[in-house]
Amino acid sequence: NAGVTQTPKFQVLKTGQSMTLQCAQDMNHEYMSWYRQDPGMGLRLIHYSVGAGITDQGEVPNGYNVSRSTTEDFPLRLLSAAPSQTSVYFCASSYSVADTQYFGPGTRLTVL
Amino acid sequence: GQQLNQSPQSMFIQEGEDVSMNCTSSSIFNTWLWYKQEPGEGPVLLIALYKAGELTSNGRLTAQFGITRKDSFLNISASIPSDVGIYFCAGQLRGSQGNLIFGKGTKLSVKP
Repeated sequence: NAGVTQTPKFQVLKTGQSMTLQCAQDMNHEYMSWYRQDPGMGLRLIHYSVGAGITDQGEVPNGYNVSRSTTEDFPLRLLSAAPSQTSVYFCASSYSVADTQYFGPGTRLTVL
Repeated sequence: GQQLNQSPQSMFIQEGEDVSMNCTSSSIFNTWLWYKQEPGEGPVLLIALYKAGELTSNGRLTAQFGITRKDSFLNISASIPSDVGIYFCAGQLRGSQGNLIFGKGTKLSVKP
């Protein structure tokens, strides 16, 4: 198993550009989530999904969209990037919301 | 949003020393988790706690779920240089959908 994979590992955007952060897992996990990590802030939940076709907002959803068309993939979209979205983004998955979450290696995003 | 207060924020210790860190909240949690994050990597689960009063060990690591369900501690005995990293507590609130709330982390530095 590859576990949770994220691409790209690094990305630089200009303000207003759009992009999609990719997340995939091969463990047949139903629950997937996106977090952002900022210095001194810990990890904060952006969006999550309890299964294909179901998504919901976390603590800091503004400026981000998600979709879950398959069990394996959970992409995070930035429609119009802002400097405040400069952060490290982690995707995680688990069998259910109550089970241990496994994290991907992260995407470091800089918005100029 | 809900807060997890994690302390200390950082620790600088000598190899061989014992380490203790804790998380507290004004809210009641169903689950407490402790993660370790190394530079450039995603968090990795160290210990999961599911019952009030539960004391669990993983090698040199010991964690406990507080009786009040509002706190947890993590101890590391006989620290070694590879213990360096950021340690996060995380919890699932009672009555919530089960999404994790993270503390802000304890950065551990170990001097050989």
